[in-house]
Amino acid sequence: GAGVSQSPSNKVTEKGKDVELRCDPISGHTALYWYRQRLGQGLEFLIYFQGNSAPDKSGLPSDRFSAERTGESVSTLTIQRTQQEDSAVYLCASSLAWQMNTEAFFGQGTRLTVV
Amino acid sequence: KNEVEQSPQNLTAQEGEFITINCSYSVGISALHWLQQHPGGGIVSLFMLSSGKKKHGRLIATINIQEKHSSLHITASHPRDSAVYICAARMYSGGGADGLTFGKGTHLIIQP
Repeated sequence: GAGVSQSPSNKVTEKGKDVELRCDPISGHTALYWYRQRLGQGLEFLIYFQGNSAPDKSGLPSDRFSAERTGESVSTLTIQRTQQEDSAVYLCASSLAWQMNTEAFFGQGTRLTVV
Repeated sequence: KNEVEQSPQNLTAQEGEFITINCSYSVGISALHWLQQHPGGGIVSLFMLSSGKKKHGRLIATINIQEKHSSLHITASHPRDSAVYICAARMYSGGGADGLTFGKGTHLIIQP
């Protein structure tokens, strides 16, 4: 597709379960970012991937959060043993590169609700 | 303290009005983004600029590097422009690992 695609668009899960969120970036974009937005709050950076370099995980809020990216394509964000405070919209963005002043394109997000 | 400040936080206007949303930042940046977020969470990138002015349809974005200030203008506003507008600065230092620091957003409502 032409844009960044995320799936699922909505996910309701029970506390304690694991969830996996998927992001398909724009083809050719080497940089991929994950953000989180809790209700009523601003965007919070989680992790970014740049090409084949090791990802910068400094924004991940706890060791229950992990993310992977296969080459320069699909990325998955996994949350283990979900907690209610994990409820948020998880946004993925991609861009041609990170160091260059390139525009980031955002997906529509995955709305995660932990009950 | 957030290094990217937006004003106003909330803005309600009548259809047709000229809208201005302001963004100021405290350190040097390499680029500034204006994003639009509609209810439901999806974010659209409106502009990325590092100097001067850009225009797309009824939207205009300007940036003054010396004053560390950017503005987003909407001409002939329409109810469909109702959204949260977010300023994000790509900073030379700090601002998170990806160098992108977000403002808290401006919630715009255009009434018919």
